[in-house]
Amino acid sequence: QVRLVESGGGWVKPGGSLRLSCAASGFTFNDYYMTWIRQAPGKGLEWLSYISGTGRTIRSADSVKGRFTISRDNDRNSLYLLMNSLRAGDTAVYYCARLSKTWDDAFDIWGQGTMVTVSS
Amino acid sequence: SSELTQDPAVSVALGQTVRITCQGDTLGSSYASWYQQKPGQAPVLVFYGKNIRPSGIPGRFSASNSGNTASLTITGAQAEDEADYYCNCRDSSGLHLVFGGGTKLTVL
Repeated sequence: QVRLVESGGGWVKPGGSLRLSCAASGFTFNDYYMTWIRQAPGKGLEWLSYISGTGRTIRSADSVKGRFTISRDNDRNSLYLLMNSLRAGDTAVYYCARLSKTWDDAFDIWGQGTMVTVSS
Repeated sequence: SSELTQDPAVSVALGQTVRITCQGDTLGSSYASWYQQKPGQAPVLVFYGKNIRPSGIPGRFSASNSGNTASLTITGAQAEDEADYYCNCRDSSGLHLVFGGGTKLTVL
């Protein structure tokens, strides 16, 4: 069964840091681009960053470039998002998702999400 | 701001057909992917590429492109189709991915 499970969310003060993890199972992890997407409360989806199967290609949205870093450990079938200099506006549910190999704009598998709250 | 524009809300009578649209310049040369999100749940991919419906998605979901507008059509909408729908594709650079603002579908 193909599955993604996020963890690491929680409450953090403005300016703080947090590392999210996403454990993958049921597929050959290093064959796929992986991505992070977030959704602020009551708002739409926002793509944040993706990483290639080897980890050599990384792209990030301007809104998080320089603050958020995506990485992966293929030996552990895990995806990560290191978030620094967190702001109130980063409060959201953070999803990891797999990019389809059939159509590389499509996110074909999603985790259940992990909530990040940035507040003093 | 999103490079993809969706109507914030659309309604449809039970059993009728509804079209949800997504406008953007990059759609003139590509296809949108479509997601359904129900309250408290993660999004689910319902249609993507030229004509791909993931397994488990009902056949009443289809998609099309015309010029810079992509459309998701639900033929014979059911109560369980009430949800938020999002489109996505690459941005004009081709390097980043973008989502539309989402459309809230109400089934009356």
